[in-house]
Amino acid sequence: GAGVSQSPRYKVAKRGQDVALRCDPISGHVSLFWYQQALGQGPEFLTYFQNEAQLDKSGLPSDRFFAERPEGSVSTLKIQRTQQEDSAVYLCASSHPTSAFEETQYFGPGTRLLVL
Amino acid sequence: SQELEQSPQSLIVQEGKNLTINCTSSKTLYGLYWYKQKYGEGLIFLMMLQKGGEEKSHEKITAKLDEKKQQSSLHITASQPSHAGIYLCGAGAHYNQGGKLIFGQGTELSVKP
Repeated sequence: GAGVSQSPRYKVAKRGQDVALRCDPISGHVSLFWYQQALGQGPEFLTYFQNEAQLDKSGLPSDRFFAERPEGSVSTLKIQRTQQEDSAVYLCASSHPTSAFEETQYFGPGTRLLVL
Repeated sequence: SQELEQSPQSLIVQEGKNLTINCTSSKTLYGLYWYKQKYGEGLIFLMMLQKGGEEKSHEKITAKLDEKKQQSSLHITASQPSHAGIYLCGAGAHYNQGGKLIFGQGTELSVKP
């Protein structure tokens, strides 16, 4: 079926504004991940869901960042009171474990956030 | 914590030339993923390696995981402009793979026609 989709693809926000980024995972994928990618760097983990349960949020940089996946499918990453250092590409990935040792993550196109 | 170091950071090759990108881990790798990213786009999955000494190929791209499972290489044969992009290695942060990936900083490849 269709791959991971994210919206919006681009977002310009004024400093202090709240933003919401959406991720539609591949249908049936149990696991969903959010990553943040700064310019010229590899992605860095933010948070992870298994169905609707948020199992790991250790990568969220501050309490201004909040993620949810209430029905175990679509997820939203919300950033409150955006700061310039939040400018980055936000990537969503989903996966479905085929075994305990192989769980390939498939990525969406990302949302490029620019905070002015 | 685990870290992945990629080398080189950037690479410019003439079309038709072979090239190798390396990914070195500070800890034993229990699963090593190679992705490709074009500017402004998401990551495209290339290959996953798990066993020491394992080698996989897809079209003109070959990835290997060394016996000690601390280093992986990605080799492209007879490079083409379509191979240009950023190559990222990623590894599971835990023995049980069902969790986050740690990524290297990426290797930017340019192929001159």
